Amino acid sequence: AQTVTQSQPEMSVQEAETVTLSCTYDTSESDYYLFWYKQPPSRQMILVIRQEAYKQQNATENRFSVNFQKAAKSFSLKISDSQLGDAAMYFCAYRSLETSGSRLTFGEGTQLTVNP
Amino acid sequence: EPEVTQTPSHQVTQMGQEVILRCVPISNHLYFYWYRQILGQKVEFLVSFYNNEISEKSEIFDDQFSVERPDGSNFTLKIRSTKLEDSAMYFCASSPALGGYTFGSGTRLTVV
Repeated sequence: AQTVTQSQPEMSVQEAETVTLSCTYDTSESDYYLFWYKQPPSRQMILVIRQEAYKQQNATENRFSVNFQKAAKSFSLKISDSQLGDAAMYFCAYRSLETSGSRLTFGEGTQLTVNP
Repeated sequence: EPEVTQTPSHQVTQMGQEVILRCVPISNHLYFYWYRQILGQKVEFLVSFYNNEISEKSEIFDDQFSVERPDGSNFTLKIRSTKLEDSAMYFCASSPALGGYTFGSGTRLTVV
């Protein structure tokens, strides 16, 4: 079974600065997706960014980018120019591509605080 | 942009009562899911549903739980006899065969 680990329960960053959230995972599969989801106080799950394991290029979405290290099974999220609205719980998640309709496996989450 | 719609947004129920949580997945998605998040904990998979039957379920999804697609648009989660520990946020999601999920905004279930 796949596992996802987020070793930082809490992180904080100054507004306009850069922060990196860590995620590691364990799998024996070679085809999968990795995701970062944001959960603000409303508790809605918002997709931030997605990475296909077969792609060597790291995904980017505006101020959000990932550092995907497949051999190390590491998938960190970098938030540049942090804004107050970035404050939320962030979850890393894994989805197998080897079966259709597979489940998402989530990490424990990292609570990000953005200080003005 | 297409959305997954969940109703109600908040439900309070007495322990031992049955509760039905409702979802309208994205119409051209093939797979439907329920996830649960107990306050302060991570999001946990409950069940996936495809072609009108359960395709996978977790150990959490015991005989107390059932899912149904009663018509062409709704997807429901029923908890037969609620316990205090069923209090959580319940998320419905849908997806194509591969690729990303779309989550609903969740139903907060409070069992008293």
